[in-house]
Amino acid sequence: SQQGEEDPQALSIQEGENATMNCSYKTSINNLQWYRQNSGRGLVHLILIRSNEREKHSGRLRVTLDTSKKSSSLLITASRAADTASYFCATSGSSNTGKLIFGQGTTLQVKP
Amino acid sequence: AAGVIQSPRHLIKEKRETATLKCYPIPRHDTVYWYQQGPGQDPQFLISFYEKMQSDKGSIPDRFSAQQFSDYHSELNMSSLELGDSALYFCASRPGGSGANVLTFGAGSRLTVL
Repeated sequence: SQQGEEDPQALSIQEGENATMNCSYKTSINNLQWYRQNSGRGLVHLILIRSNEREKHSGRLRVTLDTSKKSSSLLITASRAADTASYFCATSGSSNTGKLIFGQGTTLQVKP
Repeated sequence: AAGVIQSPRHLIKEKRETATLKCYPIPRHDTVYWYQQGPGQDPQFLISFYEKMQSDKGSIPDRFSAQQFSDYHSELNMSSLELGDSALYFCASRPGGSGANVLTFGAGSRLTVL
């Protein structure tokens, strides 16, 4: 990936457990976004965190951002089988364009 | 709510053939983006349009061209297709001037080149 790495590349957990995915990026950023992709389908925007924010919540999602380490994490709490998907972080660098650079993605499997 | 519409959803072509993908953005979204996602890969930005003008260009091969029309729909034209062009092609849109660069993606067009 041109942007960075996501880890783990694959994650398998039981329903009800928490899932944490990490993303690293290489350039300064205006914001960082997380998208979800069900197998072979389109990407769905989950959450955006601005460069001056350190943590953001949305429902069962919690995102953190550490600009000094150029990294972000996505936590999904109380996971459900329906959360099974691939999760990508994306940034547009220091601009605010839609020219997003995606991380390699984490494939999450939540077993019922 | 209306979403981004892409057609066709699936397309099978032979090497050296041409293909055209279409994208209809969300109403009142005047900015369109094209992305290519190879098997097991992350999406790669190809090209974007704002108000019918090309606004940015990424890793789009010279064999590919795209345009945005007066009704804001966009078409991606791919010629001299190669096996490596087999991928999911996504279109995304956002309102011009939006404060946040959040994209709404279509369901994608899966191109298979044989």
